[in-house]
Amino acid sequence: GAGVSQSPRYKVAKRGQDVALRCDPISGHVSLFWYQQALGQGPEFLTYFQNEAQLDKSGLPSDRFFAERPEGSVSTLKIQRTQQEDSAVYLCASSLFVSRLAGYNEQFFGPGTRLTVL
Amino acid sequence: TQLLEQSPQFLSIQEGENLTVYCNSSSVFSSLQWYRQEPGEGPVLLVTVVTGGEVKKLKRLTFQFGDARKDSSLHITAAQPGDTGLYLCAGGGSDGGSQGNLIFGKGTKLSVKP
Repeated sequence: GAGVSQSPRYKVAKRGQDVALRCDPISGHVSLFWYQQALGQGPEFLTYFQNEAQLDKSGLPSDRFFAERPEGSVSTLKIQRTQQEDSAVYLCASSLFVSRLAGYNEQFFGPGTRLTVL
Repeated sequence: TQLLEQSPQFLSIQEGENLTVYCNSSSVFSSLQWYRQEPGEGPVLLVTVVTGGEVKKLKRLTFQFGDARKDSSLHITAAQPGDTGLYLCAGGGSDGGSQGNLIFGKGTKLSVKP
């Protein structure tokens, strides 16, 4: 079956521009996550959805970052007034479910969108 | 702040050698996952361990979860050039943390030379 897809794969923006990054999760996956990966680093959590509800946005670095998943499937990460420090790979992951009791959280990642802000 | 410390950060070895990558934390995790990431791609899940002391084998890769569920190791036997990549450990369901997200280490960049 199809995996997680992300578009665009590469995005170059001038400082101050707004960008929108799209994620198509695996069909039927309830949970969706966004991560930011700087060069040479591991991914860092940005935000998490369960269906259409944004349950955790504690990792969003500023109020310029906004994510939505209005119908509980496709998600969009929007960055307003981009800055050079926003340059990174933005990874989306989906998971069938998240259970606090089981503590089991197997996530499947998309290929990422590499954002370069000039 | 929950941190996962991975070591070593870089590893360059010859084909056929063995290696071990370590992942340590002061936090207890409900599960720990190992991923491999190649340039331009997202991380690909290798294994999930959930029980303290658990050992899982995947061909030449052996994964171990510490008894206290705070640390893990990945051992590769007879490394091959195809093993080259960034190896990431990630902890889930940590005490006091968000129930959803994974906490990632910075990764170990492995290069296996023929």
